[in-house]
Amino acid sequence: AQTVTQSQPEMSVQEAETVTLSCTYDTSENNYYLFWYKQPPSRQMILVIRQEAYKQQNATENRFSVNFQKAAKSFSLKISDSQLGDTAMYFCAFTTHGGGSQGNLIFGKGTKLSVKP
Amino acid sequence: DAGVTQSPTHLIKTRGQQVTLRCSPKSGHDTVSWYQQALGQGPQFIFQYYEEEERQRGNFPDRFSGHQFPNYSSELNVNALLLGDSALYLCASSLVGGIVYGYTFGSGTRLTVV
Repeated sequence: AQTVTQSQPEMSVQEAETVTLSCTYDTSENNYYLFWYKQPPSRQMILVIRQEAYKQQNATENRFSVNFQKAAKSFSLKISDSQLGDTAMYFCAFTTHGGGSQGNLIFGKGTKLSVKP
Repeated sequence: DAGVTQSPTHLIKTRGQQVTLRCSPKSGHDTVSWYQQALGQGPQFIFQYYEEEERQRGNFPDRFSGHQFPNYSSELNVNALLLGDSALYLCASSLVGGIVYGYTFGSGTRLTVV
């Protein structure tokens, strides 16, 4: 079975500091895609960053970066210079490349991040 | 550029009733997926529609059904509602072959079954 595990139900960080959210996954596939989504109180899932499994280079999007360890099946998210607007639920997710079809997303249970002033 | 639009935003139904939720995908997207997110949990995949056909289905009973229209919009129908169906229902759209770009989500429909 394909699973995603987020071992930190809640985390907090001071504004302007750095925080790392953990994610591990399990799949027998070799070709897949990993994502971090942010869900603020508005409920909409917002894509934060994505990583293609065949790329060894870690993805970076402004203050957000990932540490992708394929052998360990680990995909952590680092948020630098945390801002109050980063307060939200963060979900790790992955999907496999199903040929001509779109793979469905498999989500972890989420980490609730609070950024404190 | 409009994102994914879902309606209604909130809904209260009685156990045993039927409900229909609606989704308009992001402009240019042709694939619609539905997810159920129970309180405090991550979203769970219900099914996916492409070219007006159900292409994939998660572990949900037949009480959950859907439809995709020629304009790519979609409906999720749930029959014989149970208390356990109370959840946030999220619609996500994507472009076939564009899996690398992820999915665009709507803000969801909050369904409460009483």
